[in-house]
Amino acid sequence: EAGVAQSPRYKIIEKRQSVAFWCNPISGHATLYWYQQILGQGPKLLIQFQNNGVVDDSQLPKDRFSAERLKGVDSTLKIQPAKLEDSAVYLCASSFGREKQYFGPGTRLTVT
Amino acid sequence: GENVEQHPSTLSVQEGDSAVIKCTYSDSASNYFPWYKQELGKRPQLIIDIRSNVGEKKDQRIAVTLNKTAKHFSLHITETQPEDSAVYFCAAQTNTGNQFYFGTGTSLTVIP
Repeated sequence: EAGVAQSPRYKIIEKRQSVAFWCNPISGHATLYWYQQILGQGPKLLIQFQNNGVVDDSQLPKDRFSAERLKGVDSTLKIQPAKLEDSAVYLCASSFGREKQYFGPGTRLTVT
Repeated sequence: GENVEQHPSTLSVQEGDSAVIKCTYSDSASNYFPWYKQELGKRPQLIIDIRSNVGEKKDQRIAVTLNKTAKHFSLHITETQPEDSAVYFCAAQTNTGNQFYFGTGTSLTVIP
């Protein structure tokens, strides 16, 4: 079974620029999560989708972050404009049911 | 919302000794508690999990215990090996929106 795929793996941008991350979950997994993991901390949930609907986006900074999962499969997370404090690893995870979520390799974002 | 605290933040043990990592949670409605191992630069990997209707679960050298009354759960690794060195995260999943809340991580070093 293929795992969760993410791209790009690394991205360096200047502050105020825009960036987008892509996630392809495990086939058949209805639930998709985006997390932000700052160095030395645990993953923090940004947004959770169930199929193409948003379950929770309470911790998503909506003035600059947006995410979509239009067909209930792939998802994109966008930051516009980026700030220095957005430097982190962005992890995508998926699950079939409500448990056992599986993580992608992450995208390491550096904002200079 | 749920708050998960994890201790210790760093742990060093001699090879062959046991390691114990403890987490507490605040939301009594949380009912699923996974543990993840994250090696440097890699994705978090699910290593063991426990549901709230179970007090203990064991998988070879790894065990997890849960005390629902006290709202704490622990990871036990016996006969530690150098390859156990990694950062370990606990998490709690709410039974309302199914969100995961992570602890801050424990960096385990097993000294050969």
